[in-house]
Amino acid sequence: EAQVTQNPRYLITVTGKKLTVTCSQNMNHEYMSWYRQDPGLGLRQIYYSMNVEVTDKGDVPEGYKVSRKEKRNFPLILESPSPNQTSLYFCASSLSPRGLNEQYFGPGTRLTVT
Amino acid sequence: EDQVTQSPEALRLQEGESSSLNCSYTVSGLRGLFWYRQDPGKGPEFLFTLYSAGEEKEKERLKATLTKKESFLHITAPKPEDSATYLCAVGLDAGGTSYGKLTFGQGTILTVHP
Repeated sequence: EAQVTQNPRYLITVTGKKLTVTCSQNMNHEYMSWYRQDPGLGLRQIYYSMNVEVTDKGDVPEGYKVSRKEKRNFPLILESPSPNQTSLYFCASSLSPRGLNEQYFGPGTRLTVT
Repeated sequence: EDQVTQSPEALRLQEGESSSLNCSYTVSGLRGLFWYRQDPGKGPEFLFTLYSAGEEKEKERLKATLTKKESFLHITAPKPEDSATYLCAVGLDAGGTSYGKLTFGQGTILTVHP
């Protein structure tokens, strides 16, 4: 089954404790992206990647890191999480390197930072 | 600053009562406009991509149209199962390396009552 998977689905952590949210797709897609979704603010792009070793900032990259060492994986790293990073996070992938066609979204990761 | 604005924020319809959702954008160099549907607790699900003014696409009770400044999602004779949040997003010709950046609107929450 073609899908985007994220782990963990739910995470409660404390301020400053490094964490990684994994994202994997099995569709051989070039493009992958991370978003956060907050009430009243909609979906905002954090980082995206158009190919292996190619990443670029979205609208809200501060406090996040990403890497794309393999085509199928695009982990999101929070080196020192803060409470304002409490949010619902989505990973997505697209066949087009520039994300110009259908994006497939993962099920989401709900992160709470206390 | 590039902006994507959706209206209304929320829309309540009776079953069978047709209406339209609006997505307006103030950007230069639109490369694509996307509509997604999101059910509570799930990732967005792709509906349509529109690339140029005048383009129209249809799927069941939904029809998306695009002008130079806005897009409409027309819902004909909606059913309760059409209740969801509808999101639009734009891909911009930002030049340089930012071709993969996508900007989402805040969404319209549609509720269809039986």
